Amino acid sequence: DQQVKQNSPSLSVQEGRISILNCDYTNSMFDYFLWYKKYPAEGPTFLISISSIKDKNEDGRFTVFLNKSAKHLSLHIVPSQPGDSAVYFCAASAKAAGNKLTFGGGTRVLVKP
Amino acid sequence: DAGVIQSPRHEVTEMGQEVTLRCKPISGHDYLFWYRQTMMRGLELLIYFNNNVPIDDSGMPEDRFSAKMPNASFSTLKIQPSEPRDSAVYFCASSRDRAKNIQYFGAGTRLSVL
Repeated sequence: DQQVKQNSPSLSVQEGRISILNCDYTNSMFDYFLWYKKYPAEGPTFLISISSIKDKNEDGRFTVFLNKSAKHLSLHIVPSQPGDSAVYFCAASAKAAGNKLTFGGGTRVLVKP
Repeated sequence: DAGVIQSPRHEVTEMGQEVTLRCKPISGHDYLFWYRQTMMRGLELLIYFNNNVPIDDSGMPEDRFSAKMPNASFSTLKIQPSEPRDSAVYFCASSRDRAKNIQYFGAGTRLSVL
């Protein structure tokens, strides 16, 4: 039972354009959402997060949007840069379930120069 | 800070052998997590500790897997005996902020069981 899903395994975008990554979840108890970025042979690194009491959080070129009614969140990267080429993971946690993170399967982003 | 440190980075062993993976969390972090990443199952949580005490080990696949945290700066994940299906990348992560739950990951140990 996949509680967090990233339905697009890969995404290719031109440098300077917007990258939009999507994530869906099924567990209504999730109250905190995170995006991680992973380069080959490295561990995931934290990128940006959002609490369920908000619908948007912005940090530089990265913005995360949360639509609780649709159980959907998205990550926007504007403008995309070649260094953004990586695998992006969506993750979710629920206070009631302790400190566990449930990860999506990841989306591989390729930014073409 | 050096970040979360895992050793070894790569491990190749034969089926039936014991494997021990090591992790040093970030100083001051009181949560430690062990994950496994495979193509089939993605990133899955195996076990996590709070203040050196195991809190949730429901992700540990079977009795062949065990994890310990003897002190705040060291944890081990042991597989005994190892099997080819244990081949995966194992990540350790630590965090200190329960409210935000931002976890910091090590570089991982790539395990190959032949």
